Amino acid sequence: QKEVEQDPGPLSVPEGAIVSLNCTYSNSAFQYFMWYRQYSRKGPELLMYTYSSGNKEDGRFTAQVDKSSKYISLFIRDSQPSDSATYLCAMSRSSASKIIFGSGTRLSIRP
Amino acid sequence: SAVISQKPSRDICQRGTSLTIQCQVDSQVTMMFWYRQQPGQSLTLIATANQGSEATYESGFVIDKFPISRPNLTFSTLTVSNMSPEDSSIYLCSVDRGRPSNETQYFGPGTRLLVL
Repeated sequence: QKEVEQDPGPLSVPEGAIVSLNCTYSNSAFQYFMWYRQYSRKGPELLMYTYSSGNKEDGRFTAQVDKSSKYISLFIRDSQPSDSATYLCAMSRSSASKIIFGSGTRLSIRP
Repeated sequence: SAVISQKPSRDICQRGTSLTIQCQVDSQVTMMFWYRQQPGQSLTLIATANQGSEATYESGFVIDKFPISRPNLTFSTLTVSNMSPEDSSIYLCSVDRGRPSNETQYFGPGTRLLVL
């Protein structure tokens, strides 16, 4: 079993829709949770960063962590074609430990 | 945020040859990381490179296959040695600007390698 599971997609939604991206994990020691966005032929860029449980909002993006269920989510409101990319979840046990990445979900926003 | 560049951006290589990938950062950083990203798979950490010390390799990766240099605080190289088609992948370097904070690892644009 992988430490981090992420549905690879592809996920295609119409412009303006709310997008929900999810990851599950098996290691209860994870405390730092991140979402990266990766455009085609580019390196991943940090989108959201959350410590422990709870929600964090940044513009149209909301990151949610449910440690009791070992489940994290990224919500994108009012999705735009420019949001079309691969989204990778990532997590680590501590600030000094290795980051474990999900395999990424390919998202396409249809105009 | 850090600005990271990688050279080459892509290459096509013959089996049995070696390729050295360069990673340059616009500011001094303590830790630099090298990842491999294969199609449909998650990023896999190859090794961590600290300036002035030997790189630390993850399970499944060895120095003879992936030698790393870290001559200063803004530069690192990863060599993929004696390449085979299985080494075809995207290789990414990243830097750690300090955790915990709103900043975590920043990635370079990647080097796309195809081994024939």
